[in-house]
Amino acid sequence: DAGVTQSPTHLIKTRGQQVTLRCSPKSGHDTVSWYQQALGQGPQFIFQYYEEEERQRGNFPDRFSGHQFPNYSSELNVNALLLGDSALYLCASSPSVGGGTTEAFFGQGTRLTVV
Amino acid sequence: DAKTTQPTSMDCAEGRAANLPCNHSTISGNEYVYWYRQIHSQGPQYIIHGLKNNETNEMASLIITEDRKSSTLILPHATLRDTAVYYCIVRVWEYGNKLVFGAGTILRVKS
Repeated sequence: DAGVTQSPTHLIKTRGQQVTLRCSPKSGHDTVSWYQQALGQGPQFIFQYYEEEERQRGNFPDRFSGHQFPNYSSELNVNALLLGDSALYLCASSPSVGGGTTEAFFGQGTRLTVV
Repeated sequence: DAKTTQPTSMDCAEGRAANLPCNHSTISGNEYVYWYRQIHSQGPQYIIHGLKNNETNEMASLIITEDRKSSTLILPHATLRDTAVYYCIVRVWEYGNKLVFGAGTILRVKS
């Protein structure tokens, strides 16, 4: 089992550009959540996708959007990048039913640097 | 989700037990205590969770006080690889519920 995989691992973008980050969930998981982690802080919840729809959203502007595909993989899109968007972006997957376990499994993250 | 309070940092000698405290005085009756850790440059890793009884797994033990207002994560024989940021989170046990991370405790295991 490959676990949660994210791509790319590192990315450098210029202010004003747009970026797309990708996530493949752990086998058997159908729910994908995205988190932003600034340097020295804990991860902050961005949003969650289930059944190809956004189910929950944190306190992030509309520049942050996402998508979930029928195979449960997901993308995070950020438009009009700001310097403050520089962070580690984490994807977490979890199951929606069965197994008695609810804990989320995280990927290694994508390190985004905006210059 | 209830708020948690953890010490900023702690040191532990290799081979000794590491005891990480967490205060969650406003925890609700249906909220569980979860612990995750994050080793440098990696994603957070689930450790353990519990409601009111003490829990143990292959990684750690979780001791929750009778009034549920605080808990302690115990790593019985800390190794250098246990150096990480440890997050205590309280949340309702349901599928897909988001995790609300605080600043966590930086645990440094020293030889």
